[in-house]
Amino acid sequence: SQTIHQWPATLVQPVGSPLSLECTVEGTSNPNLYWYRQAAGRGLQLLFYSVGIGQISSEVPQNLSASRPQDRQFILSSKKLLLSDSGFYLCAWTGTTYEQYFGPGTRLTVT
Amino acid sequence: GQQVMQIPQYQHVQEGEDFTTYCNSSTTLSNIQWYKQRPGGHPVFLIQLVKSGEVKKQKRLTFQFGEAKKNSSLHITATQTTDVGTYFCAGLNNTDKLIFGTGTRLQVFP
Repeated sequence: SQTIHQWPATLVQPVGSPLSLECTVEGTSNPNLYWYRQAAGRGLQLLFYSVGIGQISSEVPQNLSASRPQDRQFILSSKKLLLSDSGFYLCAWTGTTYEQYFGPGTRLTVT
Repeated sequence: GQQVMQIPQYQHVQEGEDFTTYCNSSTTLSNIQWYKQRPGGHPVFLIQLVKSGEVKKQKRLTFQFGEAKKNSSLHITATQTTDVGTYFCAGLNNTDKLIFGTGTRLQVFP
């Protein structure tokens, strides 16, 4: 069966520091992968999605970037974090009928 | 742009009472999906509805897709404390883009 991993689970970073969050998927090949952000008590904001290696689509202009160096690896990065980057970051992959399966998430606090 | 709104935003109920959340899209959807997110957890896929007027049940949960495929509802009968969480609908539009609703947070008091 398919499994999605995210790390780290929690992260506290100072403003201006870099960021790298990793997501990996097991048990499927060539998945569509997504990065979402959820502010506390709010809905899901789609940040990036990828349909294959090296293919990234950005939904929201911001100081974040994404990369897909391998088929089942999706990375979210920033060169300089802002306070507004705090939130719950969720990686997801899409099933055959576009349903989404989410990873456990990373809680990021920018101080 | 396309929006998917949910009402209510919050609902507090006594255990045993029923609960309903409504999902409305500004455009016609190919399908509607529902997710549950427990406090501190990640969203979990519950179900998908595809046909106009479709009704599906999962134990005490009843899901309905509107005739015009622009709205949906989730009804929970006799809520339990395990139902606590935020329920999101998500609609698939005609460009295969999934649009998440704003969510309804359910609190159940014992």
